[in-house]
Amino acid sequence: ETGVTQTPRHLVMGMTNKKSLKCEQHLGHNAMYWYKQSAKKPLELMFVYNFKEQTENNSVPSRFSPECPNSSHLFLHLHTLQPEDSALYLCASSQGGLGTYEQYFGPGTRLTVT
Amino acid sequence: RKEVEQDPGPFNVPEGATVAFNCTYSNSASQSFFWYRQDCRKEPKLLMSVYSSGNEDGRFTAQLNRASQYISLLIRDSKLSDSATYLCVVNGGGNTPLVFGKGTRLSVIA
Repeated sequence: ETGVTQTPRHLVMGMTNKKSLKCEQHLGHNAMYWYKQSAKKPLELMFVYNFKEQTENNSVPSRFSPECPNSSHLFLHLHTLQPEDSALYLCASSQGGLGTYEQYFGPGTRLTVT
Repeated sequence: RKEVEQDPGPFNVPEGATVAFNCTYSNSASQSFFWYRQDCRKEPKLLMSVYSSGNEDGRFTAQLNRASQYISLLIRDSKLSDSATYLCVVNGGGNTPLVFGKGTRLSVIA
């Protein structure tokens, strides 16, 4: 399935590095989301964009910085991360109307911070 | 009370068994309900929406009980390939994102 793509699929970075995660959706959706999933833990919603406007930031540390240049693309910029930030980062998209429509997820970026 | 609660399991069942999961939600204004499936180290995938009158998709049946604020998922004739974590998903009311439960883990054993 290629509805929502994410790159890279795997990333290893040091605590002083700067990197970016990319998400692209090909479904014509208007809302995009970033989630974090640590090992054996539930999904944690990080950021929500609806029609390119950020509508939620769930107390995410400033070392994570989202960017949504258009409805099809979403980035997560990473800077001076901590080892506890190692996790699977999932992007999702849905039609407009945040809570009404199902979300479709990308395959995720597995991030390891050393 | 947590927004969406699920029994974490694991549920270990033999092939061919019928298994049921329940999920309770706290917001009586919730209008959209879904079940997702997540395989180990993979992304969640939509299994089925849950409609007020209940709905069936092959071996899977979903039901909604608004009065008691719970939804259920029934899997008949379990297959080895059904082994996964099943996530209950509910909208939080109004124009707010979907809320994902922590999931129920199912292992189907040969």
